[in-house]
Amino acid sequence: DIQMTQSPSSLSASVGDRVTITCQASQDISNYLNWYQQKPGKAPKLLIYDASNLETGVPSRFSGSGSGTDFTFTISSLQPEDIATYYCQQYGNLPPTFGGGTKVEIK
Amino acid sequence: QVQLVQSGTEVKKPGASVKVSCRASGYTFSDYYIHWVRQAPGQGLEWMGWVNPNSGGTNYAQRFQGRVVLTRDTPISTAYMDLSRLTSDDTAVYFCARDLSSATVVTVLDFWGQGTLVTVSS
Repeated sequence: DIQMTQSPSSLSASVGDRVTITCQASQDISNYLNWYQQKPGKAPKLLIYDASNLETGVPSRFSGSGSGTDFTFTISSLQPEDIATYYCQQYGNLPPTFGGGTKVEIK
Repeated sequence: QVQLVQSGTEVKKPGASVKVSCRASGYTFSDYYIHWVRQAPGQGLEWMGWVNPNSGGTNYAQRFQGRVVLTRDTPISTAYMDLSRLTSDDTAVYFCARDLSSATVVTVLDFWGQGTLVTVSS
């Protein structure tokens, strides 16, 4: 199985800050990488697919980049409603696997 | 609007089986694969498998092979996840989710059910 290493596991930032999360795959997955947001007690929500495509209705402050094994997820200006855990997920190889998550908090 | 509505909380004893349902609405059920993903308390997400609502074909994560069965009842737009030989390690929230692609399975999960808590305890 492909291992997805996400970092950091948690972070604290101020409203308006730029937040960056990285995800590294244990082997080349091309651009088959998604990012999800999960708020406590809720189902995950798709934000970014194919590494950089913004899902319909998702605010443009969210973005993704990367290919191969190294990927980045960015919130350009952190908002209070962005408090959540973020997961990357690869689907380049079966089985699909998720990163361990990054918990984002407000400082 | 697309909705996936799952069945309610389950409490099971070790060794038992559980069947969770996922009723879809707002789209043509047979056109999109349904995946199942679980999340143990305080833990991350784990993919379990998918079912093709059109053909009934399935694909399972190896660690669940022989214990999980994914089925569907297309006339009532409902998918099912049946997990047997439960242990305490199976205590988790189980989610169904729709695949974004209508052409093939890609495991981009664009709509999710609300989750079903399954607790396994003696």
